[in-house]
Amino acid sequence: GAGVSQSPRYKVAKRGQDVALRCDPISGHVSLFWYQQALGQGPEFLTYFQNEAQLDKSGLPSDRFFAERPEGSVSTLKIQRTQQEDSAVYLCASSPQQETQYFGPGTRLLVL
Amino acid sequence: AQSVTQPDIHITVSEGASLELRCNYSYGATPYLFWYVQSPGQGLQLLLKYFSGDTLVQGIKGFEAEFKRSQSSFNLRKPSVHWSDAAEYFCAVASLVSGGYNKLIFGAGTRLAVHP
Repeated sequence: GAGVSQSPRYKVAKRGQDVALRCDPISGHVSLFWYQQALGQGPEFLTYFQNEAQLDKSGLPSDRFFAERPEGSVSTLKIQRTQQEDSAVYLCASSPQQETQYFGPGTRLLVL
Repeated sequence: AQSVTQPDIHITVSEGASLELRCNYSYGATPYLFWYVQSPGQGLQLLLKYFSGDTLVQGIKGFEAEFKRSQSSFNLRKPSVHWSDAAEYFCAVASLVSGGYNKLIFGAGTRLAVHP
């Protein structure tokens, strides 16, 4: 079946621009996670949704980062006024309840 | 605080040789442990997981891992490496949050190169 998909796969932004990253989870998966992976590092947790409810946003690095999942399926991670330190791969994962997380291919963001 | 350490940043092996990638974790309770593989430009693919039971876990692509509580380790092994195994490997522990969900804490990864 279809896995987790993310778009765009690559995004180049000028410093100060706003960006929106999309995640389509596996159909029926209740849980959705966003992670940030800096170059040469392991992924780090950003935020978690259970259906449409954002239950944990403790990993969001600043108030420029905002995520939503209004209908409990597709999620969007928005970064306002991008900075160079935001350059990273943004990974989305979904899972059925508390089980294994299945990852999408990621969006590679480069801020110039 | 929970953490995962992968002591080897980069490992090179010859094709056909055996492989062991090390992972040590710090977690107060019984951990849920995972190994993921990431090929260049790709997302993370689950190789195997340990939740409970038999401490030797079999995964995809001929990989296995052994949970050793006394050593706080979950090392990944493969008896004979193929050139297609060249990738980055991440060990992760699931941190159970009070809201009843798990968020993954990853190690920094081990990059595997395979010589023909």
